[in-house]
Amino acid sequence: DTAVSQTPKYLVTQMGNDKSIKCEQNLGHDTMYWYKQDSKKFLKIMFSYNNKELIINETVPNRFSPKSPDKAHLNLHINSLELGDSAVYFCASSQGLADPRGTQYFGPGTRLTVL
Amino acid sequence: TQLLEQSPQFLSIQEGENLTVYCNSSSVFSSLQWYRQEPGEGPVLLVTVVTGGEVKKLKRLTFQFGDARKDSSLHITAAQTGDTGLYLCADYSGNTGKLIFGQGTTLQVKP
Repeated sequence: DTAVSQTPKYLVTQMGNDKSIKCEQNLGHDTMYWYKQDSKKFLKIMFSYNNKELIINETVPNRFSPKSPDKAHLNLHINSLELGDSAVYFCASSQGLADPRGTQYFGPGTRLTVL
Repeated sequence: TQLLEQSPQFLSIQEGENLTVYCNSSSVFSSLQWYRQEPGEGPVLLVTVVTGGEVKKLKRLTFQFGDARKDSSLHITAAQTGDTGLYLCADYSGNTGKLIFGQGTTLQVKP
């Protein structure tokens, strides 16, 4: 009964490759997010979507492109991978603005290693 | 740009001890959240505080929000090995849904 799931859990790839990470939530939430956690454990928002519409787009290289086919899914595609992209990527979901407490539910993360 | 500073960065204690970790912001929080992240997992929300001076308790955890809404503390009484993890404070903006995180405090509780 996983609330927010991500695939794959681990991703090891070469520099220059293109890869995707998938995220699905079964909580019926309207809003989904992508975060990046670096090697120092610093967690930073990258994108958020509300009802398939892009809401937050932080200063992320345009090699990163989120895609939301429906409310329950938010995928992250990364082109031309670089060494600095190595990190753990977390997907999260929430009720969005309908929840004033802003509770976000995080997935288990995808550890991306670029060689 | 808002900056959240957490201290200490690392804390290693024996089971049964008490501890306090701190979170300070360069600007007033919209609302403050504390998360715990265990190794290999995503962060899990512990509490949200909104009002200056607010104190919330969650079993052995006590969360305090500063009167000026620029700082917060998390106190754990009689720590257990299950408290081990990364504790993150974050500012939640209700207008945008955006979370800004501090760099975290890594807590290790030894048996």
